[in-house]
Amino acid sequence: KAGVTQTPRYLIKTRGQQVTLSCSPISGHRSVSWYQQTPGQGLQFLFEYFSETQRNKGNFPGRFSGRQFSNSRSEMNVSTLELGDSALYLCASSLAYGNTEAFFGQGTRLTVV
Amino acid sequence: KQEVTQIPAALSVPEGENLVLNCSFTDSAIYNLQWFRQDPGKGLTSLLLIQSSQREQTSGRLNASLDKSSGRSTLYIAASQPGDSATYLCAVNSGNEKLTFGTGTRLTIIP
Repeated sequence: KAGVTQTPRYLIKTRGQQVTLSCSPISGHRSVSWYQQTPGQGLQFLFEYFSETQRNKGNFPGRFSGRQFSNSRSEMNVSTLELGDSALYLCASSLAYGNTEAFFGQGTRLTVV
Repeated sequence: KQEVTQIPAALSVPEGENLVLNCSFTDSAIYNLQWFRQDPGKGLTSLLLIQSSQREQTSGRLNASLDKSSGRSTLYIAASQPGDSATYLCAVNSGNEKLTFGTGTRLTIIP
């Protein structure tokens, strides 16, 4: 059974550009969440999608957005990149909404220069 | 607002020893608590999930306990091995699938 797949694994972008990250959840999982991990702030929740609907959103500026497709695959987009957006972005999938185990992908390492 | 704390931030123990990692949380109204390990530059690997109604879960050499009333969880690792070296994170699910993470304990097993 394939795990959570995130692409690409590494990205280098310039300030002001935008970026799109992709996450394919475990087959059958309908909930996808995104997290940002930095040395200073640790793991912080970005948003969560279930059945193509954003159910929950963390405390991030509007430059961070996401969506989920009918096959449960999800993308997150960051516009007008800032140096502080450099981080490991992690995607988690779970079977259903509420009280289920979360499984994480390997992450996308974004470096903004 | 849920806050999760893990102490100590780093721990070094000789190979073969048993050890305990600690996790505390401020709001006892949780759905579940999950322990993860993270190797440098990698994603998170789920180790154990404890539902709010459970007291403990075991997987191989790992045993996790949960005391909701006191806002505490522990991860017990028996007979530690160098391959156990990693950062261990606990995460609390207070609903809405949002996990609140601790800052982790960096564990080093000395051969």
